[in-house]
Amino acid sequence: AQSVTQPDIHITVSEGASLELRCNYSYGATPYLFWYVQSPGQGLQLLLKYFSGDTLVQGIKGFEAEFKRSQSSFNLRKPSVHWSDAAEYFCAVGPMNRDDKIIFGKGTRLHILP
Amino acid sequence: DVKVTQSSRYLVKRTGEKVFLECVQDMDHENMFWYRQDPGLGLRLIYFSYDVKMKEKGDIPEGYSVSREKKERFSLILESASTNQTSMYLCASSSGQGNQPQHFGDGTRLSIL
Repeated sequence: AQSVTQPDIHITVSEGASLELRCNYSYGATPYLFWYVQSPGQGLQLLLKYFSGDTLVQGIKGFEAEFKRSQSSFNLRKPSVHWSDAAEYFCAVGPMNRDDKIIFGKGTRLHILP
Repeated sequence: DVKVTQSSRYLVKRTGEKVFLECVQDMDHENMFWYRQDPGLGLRLIYFSYDVKMKEKGDIPEGYSVSREKKERFSLILESASTNQTSMYLCASSSGQGNQPQHFGDGTRLSIL
């Protein structure tokens, strides 16, 4: 069955520290992969997406993610977090056709210590 | 700046009422989506549409219907609201053939009493 797992419900890091949020997927074919961020009281914003090609993808707000086929993972990273990065992050997997739907992970809430 | 606008941020309705949630996008996107978001359950797709007057069921369409009479507007309708429909509702849109939402509205927090 197709699924997306974000193993960490909550993560706390200090401001200025590096960040890695984990995402694992189960999918029948090479999927298209996404990371979204949801700040408090707002909708989701697309941070980055992977369709094909270079497995290291750059996104907005200084985030990047690396697709590792052998590990079925698409982890999100940032070298130095800012207090404004406190939010909930969602990994998602989906095809590029209209017959199937994107699948979201349950989210990881990021807390930033001053 | 591109925008998906949901008509209400907060809404309180009573059981049995017919409820309309409105969503408008200004990006001329073909695809529009309605999700509900609940703690511990993540985002679940209710309905989506990839053209005017077209609609497709998502994962949890029961108790809901949608209307897309114009390209920019996608309405979610709760035919007879029930307390288990208390939730955050998110509208989204995207362009192209893909089925992934690109831009989200800020959400409507709906409470059914």
